[in-house]
Amino acid sequence: GAVVSQHPSWVICKSGTSVKIECRSLDFQATTMFWYRQFPKQSLMLMATSNEGSKATYEQGVEKDKFLINHASLTLSTLTVTSAHPEDSSFYICSATRREAQETQYFGPGTRLLVL
Amino acid sequence: AQKITQTQPGMFVQEKEAVTLDCTYDTSDPSYGLFWYKQPSSGEMIFLIYQGSYDQQNATEGRYSLNFQKARKSANLVISASQLGDSAMYFCAMREGLSNTGKLIFGQGTTLQVKP
Repeated sequence: GAVVSQHPSWVICKSGTSVKIECRSLDFQATTMFWYRQFPKQSLMLMATSNEGSKATYEQGVEKDKFLINHASLTLSTLTVTSAHPEDSSFYICSATRREAQETQYFGPGTRLLVL
Repeated sequence: AQKITQTQPGMFVQEKEAVTLDCTYDTSDPSYGLFWYKQPSSGEMIFLIYQGSYDQQNATEGRYSLNFQKARKSANLVISASQLGDSAMYFCAMREGLSNTGKLIFGQGTTLQVKP
């Protein structure tokens, strides 16, 4: 199958620090990766779409300077939450797609971020 | 305007019975894909079933089937013979266009609880 990993699965940090979350496609090359944010008992909200070697496309209302996305290779995308604040505490999930059309996105297991 | 609507915040079903989770969508694109995902308390997103807008037959995957009513713009998920392990949050999602690089738009989700 198509496996996507995320690291770390849990992170607790102090307000003002930056946190980097990695998303890796383990057994396939991902043409596109997506980053979502989910608050408790709510839906997934797309933050940005990233393609390897190009700048990420951010959704309306998402601060690109706060949520830095780097898609350095076909198997790795990173999300950096800069100067994190308590309101950034959330569940962050990435997903990736393979080259084949009409397939689902393959989701990572998610990263729970708690900013104190 | 809400593109994906799940009107049932929570549902109960008796073990071994069938249950239908509702989903309606709105799009002017003739090409689109509809997805259902299961999210247990661990947070991972598990792909269940896919229906393309041009598919003539309703999609089925084991105990899951998608009741696709194109004229009504509905894509209800039917789970047959419910099991305790089916208790989770379920999300309906739509991708406009048929390319797998398109973004997914999620509904609000339905929490399903299976009673023993």
